[in-house]
Amino acid sequence: EVQLVESGGGLVKPGGSLRLSCAASGFTFSSYSMNWVRQAPGKGLEWVSSISSSSSYIYYADSVKGRFTISRDNAKNSLYLQMNSLRAEDTAVYYCAMGPGIAVAGQEFDYWGQGTLVTVSS
Amino acid sequence: SYVLTQPPSVSVAPGQTARITCGGNNIGSKSVHWYQQKPGQAPVLVVYDDSDRPSGIPERFSGSNSGNTATLTISRVEAGDEADYYCQVWDSSSDHYVFGTGTKVTVL
Repeated sequence: EVQLVESGGGLVKPGGSLRLSCAASGFTFSSYSMNWVRQAPGKGLEWVSSISSSSSYIYYADSVKGRFTISRDNAKNSLYLQMNSLRAEDTAVYYCAMGPGIAVAGQEFDYWGQGTLVTVSS
Repeated sequence: SYVLTQPPSVSVAPGQTARITCGGNNIGSKSVHWYQQKPGQAPVLVVYDDSDRPSGIPERFSGSNSGNTATLTISRVEAGDEADYYCQVWDSSSDHYVFGTGTKVTVL
């Protein structure tokens, strides 16, 4: 059974940093692209970033480019999102989601974790 | 940037058919994916590549895509279908994923 468990969320002050993790199990992690999607309270889904299975291809939403860094450790079956220079508008539940294969572009997100809440406030 | 527009809400009686549209410039040339999200839960994929269903998703869920509009159709609507629904595409001109604005389906 595919399982994706996010962690690392919490309360952080504007300008601060946070590192999210997503622990994957139940599938061969190194063979699948991974993604981060966020959802602000009461709002819709917003794509944040995607990474291919071998980390060769990485993409970011304009709203986070230059502040967030996606990475993965295939040996540890883990996905990460390093978030710097956080702003109030980054407040959201952050989901990790699995793609259907090695490619990262144009794919659906087959499985999602339950999310971790990030609150940016002074 | 590429924009996907959905109606904010759709209301349907049990047993009837709900149609949720997703509008975008020449969306018919893209692969569209649809997600269902119930309150307090993570999204679930219900249709991918315009009209394919993941295993475990009822045949009542179907999709189509042509021109400037993609449509998710839910036949024989049940109370358990009440949720928010989002469409998604990959915009190759910007190398970005885009989600639609979301549609809340209410079962009367």
